[in-house]
Amino acid sequence: RKEVEQDPGPFNVPEGATVAFNCTYSNSASQSFFWYRQDCRKEPKLLMSVYSSGNEDGRFTAQLNRASQYISLLIRDSKLSDSATYLCVVPLRNSGNTPLVFGKGTRLSVIA
Amino acid sequence: DTGVSQDPRHKITKRGQNVTFRCDPISEHNRLYWYRQTLGQGPEFLTYFQNEAQLEKSRLLSDRFSAERPKGSFSTLEIQRTEQGDSAMYLCASSSGGAGNTIYFGEGSWLTVV
Repeated sequence: RKEVEQDPGPFNVPEGATVAFNCTYSNSASQSFFWYRQDCRKEPKLLMSVYSSGNEDGRFTAQLNRASQYISLLIRDSKLSDSATYLCVVPLRNSGNTPLVFGKGTRLSVIA
Repeated sequence: DTGVSQDPRHKITKRGQNVTFRCDPISEHNRLYWYRQTLGQGPEFLTYFQNEAQLEKSRLLSDRFSAERPKGSFSTLEIQRTEQGDSAMYLCASSSGGAGNTIYFGEGSWLTVV
């Protein structure tokens, strides 16, 4: 299994829809995970951190399933401005000295 | 602006030339990362520093690539004898350290090798 795997999409959804992305990871000992958002030709920006209890921020909910080694991102009431690529991020190793590994991203297009 | 700063933002160079990118991290961050990103791909890890020490280099980082962070503040990434396959966005990021700490990216340096 690759370190991080994501469905590249694109996911094309109407405004107001609920959409969910999954991301699988290979390092079973990973403790922290992140979702980053990247707009076209821009740098990635942190959307949410994901810890063992999951995380919710407004319309966005991130959850962790350790048994199956995946994390998910749920977006409710999609807005046009949510159109972007969503990157799943995990530490390469479970130690203090480790870089973060990014998935290839899932592209979302919210359509009016 | 106290975010991560990269320079130049865009560089077009002829194949075989050398190029250097500079990154100024967020001032209190001791960790600095270099990533490379091509269209349709996520950022690929190249190397990272803790203070002035280069702790890890990816196998993606060929001998033509070298990175330095001499005083533990700004960093440079040099590519020698550029090839067309080097065309990409080179992203610098910084963090305050630790596997669970968020990394913050600069706006990237776009390289086009013609």
